[in-house]
Amino acid sequence: KQEVTQIPAALSVPEGENLVLNCSFTDSAIYNLQWFRQDPGKGLTSLLLIQSSQREQTSGRLNASLDKSSGRSTLYIAASQPGDSATYLCAVDSNYQLIWGAGTKLIIKP
Amino acid sequence: DGGITQSPKYLFRKEGQNVTLSCEQNLNHDAMYWYRQDPGQGLRLIYYSQIVNDFQKGDIAEGYSVSREKKESFPLTVTSAQKNPTAFYLCASSPVRGVSNQPQHFGDGTRLSIL
Repeated sequence: KQEVTQIPAALSVPEGENLVLNCSFTDSAIYNLQWFRQDPGKGLTSLLLIQSSQREQTSGRLNASLDKSSGRSTLYIAASQPGDSATYLCAVDSNYQLIWGAGTKLIIKP
Repeated sequence: DGGITQSPKYLFRKEGQNVTLSCEQNLNHDAMYWYRQDPGQGLRLIYYSQIVNDFQKGDIAEGYSVSREKKESFPLTVTSAQKNPTAFYLCASSPVRGVSNQPQHFGDGTRLSIL
């Protein structure tokens, strides 16, 4: 059974720092891995989707990598800003059903 | 603007009462989903629908029911059989289920509490 883990559960860093969020999964048989952002009391916004055949995807200051063999993905945020404060969730698409991590709550201090 | 609208934003349920959460999308998506989000846990799938008049149970369907009479609408009923309904409920849609390069789009959620 696919399980997705995100560590740490919470992270607080000063503005301007580069940071990495981690996501691990137990079964490498995935179609894709997705990163989402959730603001308090809101729905989810898709950030990046990495197909199983890809190694990374980039959007602006965000870069997501995927290593299927080790069951890991990282979300790299460059030059963090207070507006990046949110909960970041990863999900793996296993047999067209998304299996979700519990998220990392990120706080960027001005 | 295309998107997903969930209503109400907050909902309170009395003991023994059924309540219905609304989800409407104007993205012309075929697939729609209902998730439950609890603190410290990942989203869990309640029901999904790939086409009008068809829907499938997810991992935690007990105590819930859905209908899909129109492509745009996928309401979720939380029945009195759901003994722990307090949670944040999220509705999502995607163009077609089974296409691996299409992320799901989400509404802003409904927070359900027990009176």
